Amino acid sequence: QVTLKESGPALVKPTQTLTLTCTVSGFSLSATGTRVSWIRQRPGKALEWLARVDWDDEKFYSTSLKTRLSISMDTSKNHVALKMTNMDPVDTATYYCARTIGRDYGMDVWGQGTTVTVSS
Amino acid sequence: SYEVTQPPSVSVSPGQTASITCSGDNLGDKFACWYQQKPGQSPVLIIYQDSRRPSGIPERFSGSNSGNTATLTISGTQAMDEADYYCQAYDSSTVVFGGGTKLTVL
Repeated sequence: QVTLKESGPALVKPTQTLTLTCTVSGFSLSATGTRVSWIRQRPGKALEWLARVDWDDEKFYSTSLKTRLSISMDTSKNHVALKMTNMDPVDTATYYCARTIGRDYGMDVWGQGTTVTVSS
Repeated sequence: SYEVTQPPSVSVSPGQTASITCSGDNLGDKFACWYQQKPGQSPVLIIYQDSRRPSGIPERFSGSNSGNTATLTISGTQAMDEADYYCQAYDSSTVVFGGGTKLTVL
């Protein structure tokens, strides 16, 4: 069974750095064509794609947030991590990780999401 | 940066056909996907590569993409289809989501 599960702090203070982890099972992060994205959804708002790491460790970022984001992969731990610097209350959101296999195939499996609140 | 636009809301009567559009410059030259999201749940992929359905997605969901518009069509809409729907496109190697459409089944 393919699963992804997000974990991280539920509350961070403004200006802090957020680190989230996506733990995957049922598939290999290093298998050709495997891609894992981070997506967020602010309360009552649309989905917003943040970043992606591919099986070959190539990384891609949202144009608007790229200066604040860093994505990494640890195949030995089946983890994909996302770091977002200089957190602000507007970054309060549910953060999801999701898998894509192949090019242009869509995100076929999503995690349950983890809610992050930014507040002092 | 590339953008795709959806209508904020669409209403449909049970049993009728609902169409949700997604517009973007030359969107037809890219692949579009569609996701369904119900309250409190994670999104579910319902259409990929414009018109392909993942395993387990009912046949009443179909998609098309041409020119500047991708369209999600739900035939014989059921009450359980009431949800938010998001289109998604690829711009080079980055991902763009539409603003979402709330489908109401009256």
